[in-house]
Amino acid sequence: KNQVEQSPQSLIILEGKNCTLQCNYTVSPFSNLRWYKQDTGRGPVSLTIMTFSENTKSNGRYTATLDADTKQSSLHITASQLSDSASYICVDPGKGGGYQKVTFGIGTKLQVIP
Amino acid sequence: NAGVTQTPKFQVLKTGQSMTLQCAQDMNHEYMSWYRQDPGMGLRLIHYSVGAGITDQGEVPNGYNVSRSTTEDFPLRLLSAAPSQTSVYFCASSSDVGGRGQGVRRTEAFFGQGTRLTVV
Repeated sequence: KNQVEQSPQSLIILEGKNCTLQCNYTVSPFSNLRWYKQDTGRGPVSLTIMTFSENTKSNGRYTATLDADTKQSSLHITASQLSDSASYICVDPGKGGGYQKVTFGIGTKLQVIP
Repeated sequence: NAGVTQTPKFQVLKTGQSMTLQCAQDMNHEYMSWYRQDPGMGLRLIHYSVGAGITDQGEVPNGYNVSRSTTEDFPLRLLSAAPSQTSVYFCASSSDVGGRGQGVRRTEAFFGQGTRLTVV
């Protein structure tokens, strides 16, 4: 089964600071890798998708990177806000990106404090 | 635009009881899935459907049944609830986009708000 491992498990940062979340994957064959944000008590919401040919993709203050050689993806959050407090989940949708063989990471729980 | 709607939001069952978790989407998505989320674990796929009348098992299907009689609805049935089924359940839908000359790709999964189920 494909593996998706995330680090750190939890993180506390001050409002306005930057942070980087890591995702190591052993996905074969690689289709794409997605990052989701899950607020407490709510369903995950897609932040970005990384395909094999993309090294970097931004969505506002969120920037995802992908290194296919080391099989690592990272999510960088710039100028954090209190609303960034959530779990961030790295996802391998599986072969063809179809979610039938999806693998979810456990997530990184981020807390932004004033 | 409602997106994916799950009901109920909370439910307490006694061991052995049965119930149905409802999921409806209004985006005309062909793909729908059910997941469970447990502490310390990533979401796990229970069942999925690639279209009306077609369902298949995911990673953890035991104790659950699904059906897909319409594109919009994908209910999840617990036949005889067990404490091990205490979890948060999420329904999700997605679709294929693109076409000739562009390539087809799957959209992200759109999740419902979740149902928190406790079996005592």
